[in-house]
Amino acid sequence: IVLTQSPATLSLSAGERATLSCRASQSVSRYLAWFQQRPGQAPRLLIYDVSNRATGIPARFSGSGSGTDFTLTISSLEPEDFAVYYCQQRSNWPPTWTFGQGTKVEAK
Amino acid sequence: EVQLVESGGGLVQSGGSLRLSCAASGFAFRSYWMTWVRQVPGKGLEWVASINEDGSESYFVDSVKGRFTISRDNAKDSLYLQTSSLRVEDTAVYYCARAMGGTVGDYWGQGTLVTVSS
Repeated sequence: IVLTQSPATLSLSAGERATLSCRASQSVSRYLAWFQQRPGQAPRLLIYDVSNRATGIPARFSGSGSGTDFTLTISSLEPEDFAVYYCQQRSNWPPTWTFGQGTKVEAK
Repeated sequence: EVQLVESGGGLVQSGGSLRLSCAASGFAFRSYWMTWVRQVPGKGLEWVASINEDGSESYFVDSVKGRFTISRDNAKDSLYLQTSSLRVEDTAVYYCARAMGGTVGDYWGQGTLVTVSS
């Protein structure tokens, strides 16, 4: 399964809403996750199983979707949210994991 | 506090080998799948390998099958990635992560850099 994220880059201002897309080449199970990666840091899990926020993740982050189309929404961007975001899915059998190519959210 | 600390990276010639280690603490290591993920500097993330709780099952991305092995020592709370026949394209930061459900990891180490020279 190939995951395609769009757009590649999103230029927004703090306080604006960010909508990131992740499209799968075939239907994905519920195992769709989103990660944030800031420069020089390891990735951080934001959302798992399509719409569940990971521990400690603020409510401004939300995930939705089903089948082949998934969305990560950041309701109101904070300065620390400017980063690269990756979606990730797990195939059922054999277990394999794939990432999208990433969307960079940059300050306008 | 969950901590994952990788070690063992470095500079190696093409065709060489390296053993990466990941020391885990702050959680019941033997109860979790564990994962290695790599990232070419400036590029995206790539899942490399995963291993189940007792080490009886392991899975690899196609590009490393037959060259990399993943193992664990639950008595030492440690995860390993034995790499061999390394290629220039294996150059990357290698992260270990604690798998959770369908995600590659809810906790990640800071990574160890492997550089393969020609």
